[in-house]
Amino acid sequence: DAKTTQPPSMDCAEGRAANLPCNHSTISGNEYVYWYRQIHSQGPQYIIHGLKNNETNEMASLIITEDRKSSTLILPHATLRDTAVYYCIASFYSGNTGKLIFGQGTTLQVKP
Amino acid sequence: IAGITQAPTSQILAAGRRMTLRCTQDMRHNAMYWYRQDLGLGLRLIHYSNTAGTTGKGEVPDGYSVSRANTDDFPLTLASAVPSQTSVYFCASSDDRASGYTFGSGTRLTVV
Repeated sequence: DAKTTQPPSMDCAEGRAANLPCNHSTISGNEYVYWYRQIHSQGPQYIIHGLKNNETNEMASLIITEDRKSSTLILPHATLRDTAVYYCIASFYSGNTGKLIFGQGTTLQVKP
Repeated sequence: IAGITQAPTSQILAAGRRMTLRCTQDMRHNAMYWYRQDLGLGLRLIHYSNTAGTTGKGEVPDGYSVSRANTDDFPLTLASAVPSQTSVYFCASSDDRASGYTFGSGTRLTVV
């Protein structure tokens, strides 16, 4: 699995967009980019994933560069409840045999 | 039961004792995983199972064993607990539609 690099921490004002970057320069062609978040000591929560096209769901948008070496998770209107550790993970997904290897993540602090 | 259930929620265990952490899912997911998370760190994969009857080693398997007798249950056993196994343990599952992992709420284990 490709290694990912994220900034250790970021701040965002409530109501503004939070843009969380992730570098995965060694990603291979069939590795997906996954994003999870962990609030306090709860279990991680799936946010979104993509292969090469940009993706959007009810929680966030995922922008993947054309060369796939980096991506950005966008929370369009951050709230205080979005304060969490955000993990970017590059992983193969072949049927149900994908294994997610977590890094240190980015601690996002949303401030009023 | 909805999703993943882990038991116990927390446990204080004497060193040298045997302990089994329970994990049950009701989503009929084929793949299941065990992670540990130490204070202030990311999650590390202990063991995984792609389908009932099969298991595999993750990043930190030493001192732990798992079994997968059926689709729903994936217990994690510490044969002889040591203080370095003090951690929060998360169980997760995934299906074959690349929709992300579902995590349990975790078991907080303290080995003294």
